[in-house]
Amino acid sequence: GNSVTQMEGPVTLSEEAFLTINCTYTATGYPSLFWYVQYPGEGLQLLLKATKADDKGSNKGFEATYRKETTSFHLEKGSVQVSDSAVYFCALSEGFQKLVFGTGTRLLVSP
Amino acid sequence: DGGITQSPKYLFRKEGQNVTLSCEQNLNHDAMYWYRQDPGQGLRLIYYSQIVNDFQKGDIAEGYSVSREKKESFPLTVTSAQKNPTAFYLCASSMGRMNTGELFFGEGSRLTVL
Repeated sequence: GNSVTQMEGPVTLSEEAFLTINCTYTATGYPSLFWYVQYPGEGLQLLLKATKADDKGSNKGFEATYRKETTSFHLEKGSVQVSDSAVYFCALSEGFQKLVFGTGTRLLVSP
Repeated sequence: DGGITQSPKYLFRKEGQNVTLSCEQNLNHDAMYWYRQDPGQGLRLIYYSQIVNDFQKGDIAEGYSVSREKKESFPLTVTSAQKNPTAFYLCASSMGRMNTGELFFGEGSRLTVL
């Protein structure tokens, strides 16, 4: 079946550092891809999405490009802030909004 | 404000007891979902419902039951048959067939079995 693999965390960075969180997927067909963010004690929020190959999703300084040739959707940000500390989930759609989630990557940003 | 409300936020249960988690949405969304979150395992789908009076099992439905009698409500019952019920439970909704896949999540309910 479809699956999503994320890099294990935690990822620990200093403020203003460059962030990359790797995500690869296995899917039949052409899924949509998503990054969700979960702040402590809260539910998940959609961060960005891409619906077809070569699309770039972006929001709040975060970006991810749908790479069909490498089946990847890596999350990047040029300069992280302490407020970006959260758990980030990569996900793909599996028909009728059934999302398959990765295991999540915790990001810790220190001042 | 539109959104999804889950209650209670924290719940403690003795072994052998059933417990029901509430999920209400005022977004006028057709579809609703229940996910379970465990450390290191991400989110796993328990049940989902595309329309009122209809629902389907997800990947880990054993030991759980749901109902969808109203569009805005999708309660989840964790039964005594669920062998390891301690977890964080997340309810979500989406617009339905016209949506590109974005889910809107509640803030979650943390269930602890004593």
